[in-house]
Amino acid sequence: KAGVTQTPRYLIKTRGQQVTLSCSPISGHRSVSWYQQTPGQGLQFLFEYFSETQRNKGNFPGRFSGRQFSNSRSEMNVSTLELGDSALYLCASSLARTPDSPLHFGNGTRLTVT
Amino acid sequence: KQEVTQIPAALSVPEGENLVLNCSFTDSAIYNLQWFRQDPGKGLTSLLLIQSSQREQTSGRLNASLDKSSGRSTLYIAASQPGDSATYLCAVRSTGANSKLTFGKGITLSVRP
Repeated sequence: KAGVTQTPRYLIKTRGQQVTLSCSPISGHRSVSWYQQTPGQGLQFLFEYFSETQRNKGNFPGRFSGRQFSNSRSEMNVSTLELGDSALYLCASSLARTPDSPLHFGNGTRLTVT
Repeated sequence: KQEVTQIPAALSVPEGENLVLNCSFTDSAIYNLQWFRQDPGKGLTSLLLIQSSQREQTSGRLNASLDKSSGRSTLYIAASQPGDSATYLCAVRSTGANSKLTFGKGITLSVRP
């Protein structure tokens, strides 16, 4: 069974540009959540989707947005990139949105903003 | 607001040593606590998940305990090996309508041969 797949693995963008990251969950998983990981702040929750609906959102500005498609694949978009957006962006999927469902993470997309 | 703390940030031990990694959290209203491992440049691998009603979980050489009332969890690694070198993160899932995972910053473990 394939794991969580995130594309691309690496991205270099310039300040002011926008970027779209993609996440394909494990087959059968309907819940997808996104996290930002930086050395200073650690792992921070961005948002969570279940059956195409955003169920929860972290404390990030509106420049960060996401969506989930009917096949459970998810994308997140960051507009007007800032240097501080440089981070590892991780996606995780789980079988259900119940709290006891373990999360399975992808290997992340490393975004560098110059 | 839930806060998760892992101290120390880094640990170096000789191979074969038994070790304990600590995690503390401020709000005991949690569904569960999960321990993850992260290798450099990689995503997170789930090691153990402890439900709020449980006291501990075991998998191979790993044992995780949970004391919800005191806001503490420990991850015990028996007979450490160089392959255990990684960053270990704990995360708690809070209760409530907007349940989300809050992570500690992790402990970077180095096991010396």
